[in-house]
Amino acid sequence: GNSVTQMEGPVTLSEEAFLTINCTYTATGYPSLFWYVQYPGEGLQLLLKATKADDKGSNKGFEATYRKETTSFHLEKGSVQVSDSAVYFCALSVGGSEKLVFGKGMKLTVNP
Amino acid sequence: NAGVTQTPKFQVLKTGQSMTLQCAQDMNHNSMYWYRQDPGMGLRLIYYSASEGTTDKGEVPNGYNVSRLNKREFSLRLESAAPSQTSVYFCASSGDYLLTDTQYFGPGTRLTVL
Repeated sequence: GNSVTQMEGPVTLSEEAFLTINCTYTATGYPSLFWYVQYPGEGLQLLLKATKADDKGSNKGFEATYRKETTSFHLEKGSVQVSDSAVYFCALSVGGSEKLVFGKGMKLTVNP
Repeated sequence: NAGVTQTPKFQVLKTGQSMTLQCAQDMNHNSMYWYRQDPGMGLRLIYYSASEGTTDKGEVPNGYNVSRLNKREFSLRLESAAPSQTSVYFCASSGDYLLTDTQYFGPGTRLTVL
């Protein structure tokens, strides 16, 4: 079946620290990969996505590269800010379906 | 353009009571979804609707029913609430059948069943 495994945290970092959130996947077909972010008290919103191998998605200083050989889509940011405190979800969709399969989410807290 | 709206924002029920969670989108999207979010479980799909007039079960449909009233609205009903249904419920919508489409989420309904 299709599944996503990601770091669960919670993780606490200081402002300007480097962030990596690992995400690996299992898929029966050729997936599209997504990172969603949930700020406190809000719904999820798309952070970035990639649809084929070696594509890099980027937004708001975050980046993730679709690695088919390692079935991974790790999220990185070079210098986090307090405003990046949120829960981050890795997700995939397969085979033209719009349905998403989510990882369990990772809560990030950034302290000034 | 409000996006995806959900009502109510908060609700407390007693075991056995029923209620309907409402969701509406103004983006002319074909597909709509209901998820529940529980600590340590991520988001799990309850039901989805690929188009007006169709609905399908997701990963955790037991105890729920849905209605796709029209293209804009997709409601979730709990006929006899149980404490295990205490959760945060999110509605989402997406635009078409392209592989790369994006889901847009509402702000959520926090439900407590006593």
